[in-house]
Amino acid sequence: AQKVTQAQTEISVVEKEDVTLDCVYETRDTTYYLFWYKQPPSGELVFLIRRNSFDEQNEISGRYSWNFQKSTSSFNFTITASQVVDSAVYFCALATSGTYKYIFGTGTRLKVLA
Amino acid sequence: DTAVSQTPKYLVTQMGNDKSIKCEQNLGHDTMYWYKQDSKKFLKIMFSYNNKELIINETVPNRFSPKSPDKAHLNLHINSLELGDSAVYFCASSQEPRYTEAFFGQGTRLTVV
Repeated sequence: AQKVTQAQTEISVVEKEDVTLDCVYETRDTTYYLFWYKQPPSGELVFLIRRNSFDEQNEISGRYSWNFQKSTSSFNFTITASQVVDSAVYFCALATSGTYKYIFGTGTRLKVLA
Repeated sequence: DTAVSQTPKYLVTQMGNDKSIKCEQNLGHDTMYWYKQDSKKFLKIMFSYNNKELIINETVPNRFSPKSPDKAHLNLHINSLELGDSAVYFCASSQEPRYTEAFFGQGTRLTVV
């Protein structure tokens, strides 16, 4: 079975705090991709990052960083020095070979307070 | 140019009506999808098409009928609308999902009254 779990339903932080969004996935496939998407209040789904199962290097893009650990089946997302504009629902997703679908977690709503 | 465009953005209709949502992508992708997002924000795959062929029908009621006239278009027709069909419907496209991300349309908010 393939599954993505985002246990944090909602997180509130004060501006400039760091925040980590957790993502745990399940799959028996050895080849897969993991993704993060952002859904701001305006409703569109914005792609943030993808990571394949053979690349465990962490990635940093500005204030965003991602930590992929196969040993714990986790792909966590950290926002450093959060800003009000980061307020959104964040989704983690999984795609495996031949399945032609992206399996999404239930999302984490992040509220950044000024 | 919008990569994945779907119309309309908002759709309000009465129970029992039939409605369609159109989707077009100009990215040259082979695979297109319909996802449903419910009021709790849960995103669930409904259909996926690859090269105009239906690949996934995720136990969607047969009142929902997708149609892909060509690789760039995937429309969704819904018959006999029910209150429970109220949701946001997203169209998306990608190359094979194992390798790349999906690009999503802006969503269609369907309200059945």
